[in-house]
Amino acid sequence: EADIYQTPRYLVIGTGKKITLECSQTMGHDKMYWYQQDPGMELHLIHYSYGVNSTEKGDLSSESTVSRIRTEHFPLTLESARPSHTSQYLCASSESWDRGKMETQYFGPGTRLLVL
Amino acid sequence: DQQVKQNSPSLSVQEGRISILNCDYTNSMFDYFLWYKKYPAEGPTFLISISSIKDKNEDGRFTVFLNKSAKHLSLHIVPSQPGDSAVYFCAAKRIIQGAQKLVFGQGTRLTINP
Repeated sequence: EADIYQTPRYLVIGTGKKITLECSQTMGHDKMYWYQQDPGMELHLIHYSYGVNSTEKGDLSSESTVSRIRTEHFPLTLESARPSHTSQYLCASSESWDRGKMETQYFGPGTRLLVL
Repeated sequence: DQQVKQNSPSLSVQEGRISILNCDYTNSMFDYFLWYKKYPAEGPTFLISISSIKDKNEDGRFTVFLNKSAKHLSLHIVPSQPGDSAVYFCAAKRIIQGAQKLVFGQGTRLTINP
């Protein structure tokens, strides 16, 4: 079972504040991901990383940024939060994969963000 | 353009009976399909997967069926138990620009009634 942690679990913050959502995993996984999910909707990939110093934009455009300085850590930052950023943010990780094989993504518990 | 669709937002089933959750997809390039289960206030957890070259995969009470010609897959849970009450997400995997990516459906909330 993968251990992947997200903090904070819940965050209520005012418009214009800078926020960082933390994600850490202890599995030594190379791949890490950030998804955004609104209630009753699908998960949308907003960022991913192949490994240290690698960051890529996902399928859904996001004003957030990410960094990957250490294998186990993949924080997401919003420089100036807005009400439109209100959502649930889910972090995931997976092992390196061989083409054609199935990798399993392990998810953290998520951060519910409310921007007032 | 939603490539993975779960058209039933909710499903209610009696304990002990079979639960069938459905998922449709549009992209023939997906090579694996997965089901994730999500409890409130937790992240999704992997449940079962199936390769696009198979038509059935079974793991205990859970069986996934794939009909490639219809671009349809289903998850069968039998017998259903109260602990199965959760939101179930269907996901499809493909390789895009060298990266393995998952595309998720909207989820189906399953409620098992005692």
